[in-house]
Amino acid sequence: QVQLQESGPGLVKPSETLSLTCTVSGGSINNYYWSWIRQPPGKGLEWIGHIYHSGSSNYNPSLKSRVTISLDRSKDQFSLRLSSVTAADTAVYYCAKDPTTVTPAYWGLGTLVTVSS
Amino acid sequence: EIVLTQSPGTLSLSPGERATLSCRASQSVSNNYLVWYQQKPGQAPRLLIYGTSIRATGIPDRFSGSGSGTDFTLTISRLEPEDFAVYYCQQCGSLPLTFGGGTKVEIK
Repeated sequence: QVQLQESGPGLVKPSETLSLTCTVSGGSINNYYWSWIRQPPGKGLEWIGHIYHSGSSNYNPSLKSRVTISLDRSKDQFSLRLSSVTAADTAVYYCAKDPTTVTPAYWGLGTLVTVSS
Repeated sequence: EIVLTQSPGTLSLSPGERATLSCRASQSVSNNYLVWYQQKPGQAPRLLIYGTSIRATGIPDRFSGSGSGTDFTLTISRLEPEDFAVYYCQQCGSLPLTFGGGTKVEIK
C-alpha cells in the first residue's frame, strides 16, 4: 500500500516562499504522476500541479508563475515551492499520487500551512 | 479548463435512503477519467471511485459510480450513518486537473 506524508513549516511569512516535501513509502516514485493539492479552510479542493517520474511537470495556470514542483528519486520524495505567498495561500496542503483509469489515487493526511507575519 | 459542476449543493436524507449525486463537466472527460472522493471534517479526502466506476479497495458496494462523456453519477444505495459527509468529483483527463465544488450529504 502506497503511503504519502507531507512535511514542512506550518507558518510562513507573507511574501516568502512556502516549501513542502512529500515522502512516498510502500512503492516507488518511479512511476505515475505525483500531485500537490490544497484546500483553504472551509473551502473546496484546488489542484496545484503535478510531476511525472521523468521530471516533467504541469501546473495550474492560476498558480503557474509562483509554483515549482521537483523530484528526488533517490529519496522517493517530491517537493513544492510556492513563492510570494499571501494570506490567500493559507490552506491544508496535500500530496497525492494521481489516479489512472486503472490504478487508484493515494493521498497524504495533509499539512496546514498558515501565512501570517 | 474543464469545469465540474456538482449538484445538488446539499442533499438532506435519512439513513437507509438512496443518495444520487451528480457531476457534470463543461467538456467531455477523456477516457472517463473521473474520480469520486468522500471527505469528513478534519480528514483528508478518501478515494471512493476511480475510472468512473471502479470501487477503491475497502469501499462498500453500496457506493457505485457511473456515467460517461460529460455526465457522471455517484450513487449510495442505502445511506449508513458514516456516509454523511462532503463528496467531490475530480477529472484527471485534461490539464489542469479540476475538482467539483462538492455535495454535502447531511442528515435530514
